[in-house]
Amino acid sequence: DAKTTQPPSMDCAEGRAANLPCNHSTISGNEYVYWYRQIHSQGPQYIIHGLKNNETNEMASLIITEDRKSSTLILPHATLRDTAVYYCIVKSFGGATNKLIFGTGTLLAVQP
Amino acid sequence: GAVVSQHPSRVICKSGTSVKIECRSLDFQATTMFWYRQFPKQSLMLMATSNEGSKATYEQGVEKDKFLINHASLTLSTLTVTSAHPEDSSFYICSARAPDPSEQYFGPGTRLTVT
Repeated sequence: DAKTTQPPSMDCAEGRAANLPCNHSTISGNEYVYWYRQIHSQGPQYIIHGLKNNETNEMASLIITEDRKSSTLILPHATLRDTAVYYCIVKSFGGATNKLIFGTGTLLAVQP
Repeated sequence: GAVVSQHPSRVICKSGTSVKIECRSLDFQATTMFWYRQFPKQSLMLMATSNEGSKATYEQGVEKDKFLINHASLTLSTLTVTSAHPEDSSFYICSARAPDPSEQYFGPGTRLTVT
């Protein structure tokens, strides 16, 4: 699986949009970009995933560049409860033994 | 969304004893489950992949005789830490792969403290 690079930490003001970048320059054609987050002392929570088109759900939006070498997770109106470590992971979809390998992630601190 | 539970949420055991952690998929059948370990201020580290009815596949450096994994049914996988030592104290997290869509859902984690 390709590796990802994320900033170690970011701050965001409550109510503002949080934009979390991820570089995945070695992503291959059949690999998706997944985002998970982990609130302190809890299990990771799935946020969103995409292949090459931008995606949006009730939690967030995912913007993937045309060359697929980077992406941005957008939380449109961050709240204090969005403070967490956000992980960007690339892996191929499905498959019997496909597994999520976590990097170091970005600690997003939402400030009041 | 799919729900995965773990039991217990916290456990304290004495050095040299064994402890079993259960992972259950509550509203779906999971042919594949995964076990992770997380030390303080570190990321999740995959320990093993568990397939129902077959032997688990362990990641490099994980002792299979120390971390026994059993996936006896489509909704239950167990991790037994044998002869636990203080360095095994960690946050253990399981995940289960849902059949459709084929996504991984995580349990809330188990905090193991070995004294």
